[in-house]
Amino acid sequence: DSGVTQTPKHLITATGQRVTLRCSPRSGDLSVYWYQQSLDQGLQFLIHYYNGEERAKGNILERFSAQQFPDLHSELNLSSLELGDSALYFCASSVWTGYNTDTQYFGPGTRLTVL
Amino acid sequence: TQLLEQSPQFLSIQEGENLTVYCNSSSVFSSLQWYRQEPGEGPVLLVTVVTGGEVKKLKRLTFQFGDARKDSSLHITAAQTGDTGLYLCAGEGPRDRGSTLGRLYFGRGTQLTVWP
Repeated sequence: DSGVTQTPKHLITATGQRVTLRCSPRSGDLSVYWYQQSLDQGLQFLIHYYNGEERAKGNILERFSAQQFPDLHSELNLSSLELGDSALYFCASSVWTGYNTDTQYFGPGTRLTVL
Repeated sequence: TQLLEQSPQFLSIQEGENLTVYCNSSSVFSSLQWYRQEPGEGPVLLVTVVTGGEVKKLKRLTFQFGDARKDSSLHITAAQTGDTGLYLCAGEGPRDRGSTLGRLYFGRGTQLTVWP
């Protein structure tokens, strides 16, 4: 158990819909990262938040957005869903200082299926 | 195009055999991390290598970071069925990408199956 929790575990929805994925980081970690894992692309970095502020953006579509709340939990919002958005979505957390090598702890993931 | 290329993509061996998995890039990384992922679960960190030429051992697993910090290898001695899983390498903060520390670039992974 990494200490990172993600809900829900599974999500099945239809094209055009909007969903919200939730992540609670390990106690004491200020950084939250979101990743997407698909068969054809592998694990892709989406976005990084540190203490409520966006720090880095990766291959995140404009239809996707994220935020980190004062209690440090984070939500990833996916809208106008397409079939190709079906994937595993992982959240990871770390202490991240920006100066030293970071160790990220991954949650169990949310499996999104878009029908 | 993947920033990190892992090879082989699939590896199927008998228990007791040795194996090596490679992770290569043209970019220089601040660190290189190896993860193992089981089906339906998140990746679990095995090791982080930071210094060029660094070698780290974790029981039967030996990790090496290339001198130029562009590549890494994972060697498993006397593989066991419990070693079965997806092995992922991830590079942190490639300098030529102006990337911040913390951002990880993952390879596609090596799916290892060890048969009894």
